Amino acid sequence: EAGVTQSPTHLIKTRGQQATLRCSPISGHTSVYWYQQALGLGLQFLLWYDEGEERNRGNFPPRFSGRQFPNYSSELNVNALELEDSALYLCASSLFQWQGATGELFFGEGSRLTVL
Amino acid sequence: AQSVAQPEDQVNVAEGNPLTVKCTYSVSGNPYLFWYVQYPNRGLQFLLKYITGDNLVKGSYGFEAEFNKSQTSFHLKKPSALVSDSALYFCAVRISGGYQKVTFGTGTKLQVIP
Repeated sequence: EAGVTQSPTHLIKTRGQQATLRCSPISGHTSVYWYQQALGLGLQFLLWYDEGEERNRGNFPPRFSGRQFPNYSSELNVNALELEDSALYLCASSLFQWQGATGELFFGEGSRLTVL
Repeated sequence: AQSVAQPEDQVNVAEGNPLTVKCTYSVSGNPYLFWYVQYPNRGLQFLLKYITGDNLVKGSYGFEAEFNKSQTSFHLKKPSALVSDSALYFCAVRISGGYQKVTFGTGTKLQVIP
């Protein structure tokens, strides 16, 4: 069974540009989560999508946005990039708990965004 | 609101000795508790979870964790550390029910010394 896949692995952008990161969840998982892991910091919750809807959002500015597609894959968009957006962006998927799961997350390997 | 605290940024332990990585939590409901491990430049891997029932839960790679409701703690343990256990460990919590996000601690770097 394929795990969570993320692309690109690495992305280099300059300040003010836009970045798009993509995530494919494990087959059968409907929930997709995005986390930011900046150097020296823990995981900061960004967004949670389930069944195509945004279900929860972390304390990030509106220039961080995303969507979930009918096949449950997801993309994260970061507009007007700032230097402090440089981080590892992790995507995770899970069976939503109403489906009887207990909510453990399965992570991809991450997309490393560098803003110059 | 929910939060997780990992009071130690780094834990050093000699190979073969028992290890403990500490975690305390704060939630306003019934908690689901998790431990994850992250190796350099990799994503997080699930180790174990507490949902309900027995307070001692066993997970992957010989790790176990003890849920203590009165102390609101969920410490990760292993009887005998291996050098290959050296990694970054994250404790996480979510509240049961509804669209409750998973909140992670800041992580503890475990260094097992040969």
